Amino acid sequence: QKEVEQDPGPLSVPEGAIVSLNCTYSNSAFQYFMWYRQYSRKGPELLMYTYSSGNKEDGRFTAQVDKSSKYISLFIRDSQPSDSATYLCAMSAGSNDYKLSFGAGTTVTVRA
Amino acid sequence: DTAVSQTPKYLVTQMGNDKSIKCEQNLGHDTMYWYKQDSKKFLKIMFSYNNKELIINETVPNRFSPKSPDKAHLNLHINSLELGDSAVYFCASSQGVGRARNEQFFGPGTRLTVL
Repeated sequence: QKEVEQDPGPLSVPEGAIVSLNCTYSNSAFQYFMWYRQYSRKGPELLMYTYSSGNKEDGRFTAQVDKSSKYISLFIRDSQPSDSATYLCAMSAGSNDYKLSFGAGTTVTVRA
Repeated sequence: DTAVSQTPKYLVTQMGNDKSIKCEQNLGHDTMYWYKQDSKKFLKIMFSYNNKELIINETVPNRFSPKSPDKAHLNLHINSLELGDSAVYFCASSQGVGRARNEQFFGPGTRLTVL
């Protein structure tokens, strides 16, 4: 079993819909959680960075962490065609833990 | 200004050849990484250097050898290239071990094709 599980999709939604992405993990030591967005033929770019449980909002993006369920989510409101990309979750045990554990990535297409 | 840069962007070569990929970061970070991304998009860590010292060395064939001349640069040399080495290789950097934040910043990738 992988340390971080993420449904690879693909996920196709109409423009304006809410996109819901999630990852589950098995290592209860994970405290730092990240979401990366990767456009085709580009490098991953950091989208959201959260510590421990709770919600974090940044514009149309909301990241949620539920450590009790070992479950993290990313919501994209009012999705746009420019949101079409692969979204990767990543996590680590602490700021001294420089090794990130990545999910496999979910490919999202937003249809105009 | 490009934070993490890699050269070359594309590399097409024959089996058995030796090639190098270079990476540079201008973020002032202490830690740098090499990842391999396969066709299914899974990112696999290969190596990491913190202040020029090797701190992560995953199970990678010894044909792959990283080298960090200074903390802003991390190069990857690959000997005797094989078909299975075809992938996209990403360089990344982070503030460093023990710093407040540990997110990593990625370069644009080097697409390696071995024929």
